Amino acid sequence: DAGVIQSPRHEVTEMGQEVTLRCKPISGHDYLFWYRQTMMRGLELLIYFNNNVPIDDSGMPEDRFSAKMPNASFSTLKIQPSEPRDSAVYFCASSPGLDGIGNQPQHFGDGTRLSIL
Amino acid sequence: LAKTTQPISMDSYEGQEVNITCSHNNIATNDYITWYQQFPSQGPRFIIQGYKTKVTNEVASLFIPADRKSSTLSLPRVSLSDTAVYYCLVGDMASTGFQKLVFGTGTRLLVSP
Repeated sequence: DAGVIQSPRHEVTEMGQEVTLRCKPISGHDYLFWYRQTMMRGLELLIYFNNNVPIDDSGMPEDRFSAKMPNASFSTLKIQPSEPRDSAVYFCASSPGLDGIGNQPQHFGDGTRLSIL
Repeated sequence: LAKTTQPISMDSYEGQEVNITCSHNNIATNDYITWYQQFPSQGPRFIIQGYKTKVTNEVASLFIPADRKSSTLSLPRVSLSDTAVYYCLVGDMASTGFQKLVFGTGTRLLVSP
């Protein structure tokens, strides 16, 4: 089992540029989550998908952020245009689809460290 | 949303037992409490999960009182490699009706020789 795979591991770009983060969940997992981690705010849930369908995106900070899951093995989180305050570590996680989303352990990738200059 | 609270940091020595408590109000009736461990430059890693009373696995124990408004992660005989940040995670029914996941603020555990 390869686990959750995120790319790139590090991204440095200038303000105003488009940023795309990628995630491959564990095969067979029905739920996919995107989190953001900063020193000030800790771990925040941005959005989650169930069977490729976005269920709750109330954690997405603003319209500059968008997420898609075109199939069961791939998801993207896009920021356009990017701003320095978007600098953070972004994690993707997946979990099996039994019971509620809080009742199944999540498997996290190692994150993308994003720096917006 | 449920508000979860953990101590910011804890110090311990090798071989000691460490107990980390998380407070969580408004936890949903059907939701579990999950604890994760995070090392630098890595994603959180699942440690243990429970609903009520006590759960034990090969690395930790989880104690949950009857009112479920708090939980305590117990690490027996910690080693230097247990130095990490520990998070509790609870599900919560937000006002939208969807379940929301709320991570605790994290407890930074430092284990010294």
